[in-house]
Amino acid sequence: DARVTQTPRDKVTEMGQEVTMRCQPILGHNTVFWYRQTMMQGLELLAYFRNRAPLDDSGMPKDRFSAEMPDATLATLKIQPSEPRDSAVYFCASGRQGWGAYSNQPQHFGDGTRLSIL
Amino acid sequence: AQKVTQAQTEISVVEKEDVTLDCVYETRDTTYYLFWYKQPPSGELVFLIRRNSFDEQNEISGRYSWNFQKSTSSFNFTITASQVVDSAVYFCALREGGYGGATNKLIFGTGTLLAVQP
Repeated sequence: DARVTQTPRDKVTEMGQEVTMRCQPILGHNTVFWYRQTMMQGLELLAYFRNRAPLDDSGMPKDRFSAEMPDATLATLKIQPSEPRDSAVYFCASGRQGWGAYSNQPQHFGDGTRLSIL
Repeated sequence: AQKVTQAQTEISVVEKEDVTLDCVYETRDTTYYLFWYKQPPSGELVFLIRRNSFDEQNEISGRYSWNFQKSTSSFNFTITASQVVDSAVYFCALREGGYGGATNKLIFGTGTLLAVQP
């Protein structure tokens, strides 16, 4: 089965460092999502792209977070500078979205990046 | 506003018992989609089932079944003859149909931790 691939699986770094998380969506999926999971907030949508164009990044702290999709096979989420409160599991998901037959398609998630900021 | 409520924080059952996970949703849209995801201890999010708002037929798939009741805005999920491997956090999620293109955002409930004891 095709899978969403996220790297790294785990990341531990010190406060102030730049963190880059990468995601390879499933081939043929035209929408990519970034979610963050914490005990306090649960699963939150940070940003998403359709056909590589950013559609919504309202869930993302703009001053330190940035999300890009340089090509159809790679999405990145960067944090600079990182802070301890950014510690969470970050999930990438992809899906084939749109109207009609595609409108009810599920999002498929990667295994997540477990980020710890010391 | 859209919202998903999973009132059960934790459920503990003994193997082979049947267990039902509750989900109540709120939405103003007439077209929407409902999903269940499973998050085992290893951390990944696994898509289980989906339902369209315009299809109220309930189904059974192996040990899984779901009960979609539009009148009560509920989308409950049942596991029959539970097994230890079913131990996980289960998330219910809602996606509204939207206008001018599917909105695609998934709104997750807070999850129900299911512990199946041997």
